[in-house]
Amino acid sequence: DQQVKQNSPSLSVQEGRISILNCDYTNSMFDYFLWYKKYPAEGPTFLISISSIKDKNEDGRFTVFLNKSAKHLSLHIVPSQPGDSAVYFCAASPLNFGNEKLTFGTGTRLTIIP
Amino acid sequence: DTAVSQTPKYLVTQMGNDKSIKCEQNLGHDTMYWYKQDSKKFLKIMFSYNNKELIINETVPNRFSPKSPDKAHLNLHINSLELGDSAVYFCASSRRPETYEQYFGPGTRLTVT
Repeated sequence: DQQVKQNSPSLSVQEGRISILNCDYTNSMFDYFLWYKKYPAEGPTFLISISSIKDKNEDGRFTVFLNKSAKHLSLHIVPSQPGDSAVYFCAASPLNFGNEKLTFGTGTRLTIIP
Repeated sequence: DTAVSQTPKYLVTQMGNDKSIKCEQNLGHDTMYWYKQDSKKFLKIMFSYNNKELIINETVPNRFSPKSPDKAHLNLHINSLELGDSAVYFCASSRRPETYEQYFGPGTRLTVT
């Protein structure tokens, strides 16, 4: 039973345009959401996060939107750059201490076309 | 100055052997984790330690035994390796309860033949 889903396994975007990566979750106990970026043969790198009390969080070119009623979040990257080509994982966690394990989606491979 | 490091990066071994993977973090974090990424690229939590105490233990076979000698280290020992143990194993750390962000090591690719 996959509690965090990324339904698009891959996405190609022209350099300079906006990349939008989507993530859906089913567990209503999730209160904290994170996006990670992963290059081949490396570990996931933390990008940006959002708590359920917010609906938007921005950090430079990266913005995460959370729609709690729809159990949906998205990552916007604008403008997209060639170095953004990687696999992006959405992750979610409950907020209660001692159970803050991350549940990951299966990832979306983003390719930025120069 | 690597934040979370793992050794070895690659490990090839035969079925039935016992092997260990080591993890060290120099971030001053008090919580460490082991994740497994299977052939379908699905990352799943295995264990979590906080201040050397086991706090999360997912349904992992008893052949897997984590050990945390101190807050900066979390090792994973695997007995009687099976073909299905082939995967990439990631160590991570975080500073709870201040933050939920976890920082990952580069991974150890384990191949069991």
